[in-house]
Amino acid sequence: GAGVSQSPSNKVTEKGKDVELRCDPISGHTALYWYRQSLGQGLEFLIYFQGNSAPDKSGLPSDRFSAERTGGSVSTLTIQRTQQEDSAVYLCASSFSGWNSPLHFGNGTRLTVT
Amino acid sequence: AQKITQTQPGMFVQEKEAVTLDCTYDTSDQSYGLFWYKQPSSGEMIFLIYQGSYDEQNATEGRYSLNFQKARKSANLVISASQLGDSAMYFCAMREYSGGGADGLTFGKGTHLIIQP
Repeated sequence: GAGVSQSPSNKVTEKGKDVELRCDPISGHTALYWYRQSLGQGLEFLIYFQGNSAPDKSGLPSDRFSAERTGGSVSTLTIQRTQQEDSAVYLCASSFSGWNSPLHFGNGTRLTVT
Repeated sequence: AQKITQTQPGMFVQEKEAVTLDCTYDTSDQSYGLFWYKQPSSGEMIFLIYQGSYDEQNATEGRYSLNFQKARKSANLVISASQLGDSAMYFCAMREYSGGGADGLTFGKGTHLIIQP
């Protein structure tokens, strides 16, 4: 079956521009997660959705970051007024509900801010 | 304090040897799950194996097994008969029941494993 799909796979943008990253989770997965991975680093948790709601947005690095999920499916992560330190791979994952369910990741969006 | 500690930033292992990747964790929850992921140079995150805190037997999945020592809060990944394709970053992760899944998985910093022919 289809896995988690992320688009675009690569995005180069100029400092100060807004970008929108998209994630299409595995069908039937109610939970959706966004992570950020900087070069050679581990994964930094950004935000989690259960259905369409995000109970806790405190993981977002700044108020330039926002995320939404509609219809319990596709999610978008928006970064406004991008900065060079936003350059990273943004990974989306989905899972069934339940704390013992593994996360299944997409291939990520590599964002480069010039 | 770090919740997941992986003390081996990098490892070199000869092909066909067994490999143990260390992972220790910190939690006050009684209910939690431990996960291992593989990230090849292509960047995808591949789920390998899961161990629940109440599981009495060590988890196994093919060549992967998890050496779970609850009292030591240790969940080491063992790869038997290593192959060149095992070269990758390996991440240990934990989810605590008290979080209700709301914070996803907490990841360690990873171990870069290189299998040499």
